[in-house]
Amino acid sequence: GAGVSQSPSNKVTEKGKDVELRCDPISGHTALYWYRQSLGQGLEFLIYFQGNSAPDKSGLPSDRFSAERTGGSVSTLTIQRTQQEDSAVYLCASIFGHSNTGELFFGEGSRLTVL
Amino acid sequence: AQTVTQSQPEMSVQEAETVTLSCTYDTSESDYYLFWYKQPPSRQMILVIRQEAYKQQNATENRFSVNFQKAAKSFSLKISDSQLGDAAMYFCAYRSPGRAGKSTFGDGTTLTVKP
Repeated sequence: GAGVSQSPSNKVTEKGKDVELRCDPISGHTALYWYRQSLGQGLEFLIYFQGNSAPDKSGLPSDRFSAERTGGSVSTLTIQRTQQEDSAVYLCASIFGHSNTGELFFGEGSRLTVL
Repeated sequence: AQTVTQSQPEMSVQEAETVTLSCTYDTSESDYYLFWYKQPPSRQMILVIRQEAYKQQNATENRFSVNFQKAAKSFSLKISDSQLGDAAMYFCAYRSPGRAGKSTFGDGTTLTVKP
């Protein structure tokens, strides 16, 4: 696609339910990031995929969070047994892995509300 | 690990005037990239300006310019002739070079433009 696409745009769920957030990066971009942004706050790094390398999961806040990237393209962030503190906007960004400029292209984010 | 610090959570500027947003970073790398991203209320993050560390000349993009002080590890953003559309949250970001380069963001500065 022309840009990074994220779905759903908004998700309201009940505490304890599992949710899946999807990111479809720009075609050809080999690197992909997930960030979490609480209301009016900065970006909290979650996970980073680069090509076929093992992902950098150092930012995942707990074992309830996991992410995968299938076929080097679409990524899914899964949050199990959601808690109210998981409420935030989840941003996905992709980058052309061979790029010297290093610019990240962001999606519009998925706003998660846990009741 | 690299860290990025934005010491001004909020700034305001009068329309048509100039404002400078501060950013400092910590790294042991000699080559890297620095960025300013803008996040308007619509939520999608977009690139404002980038600077390669090996370049001594400060980057400029129309009304946006940076003051890059490598030795001081400082990277401030100057917005000249501020416009109402400049109101947004601004993030400073650091990226390591190479294919495995990871991006690190500051906590952001919320800029208000007063008419």
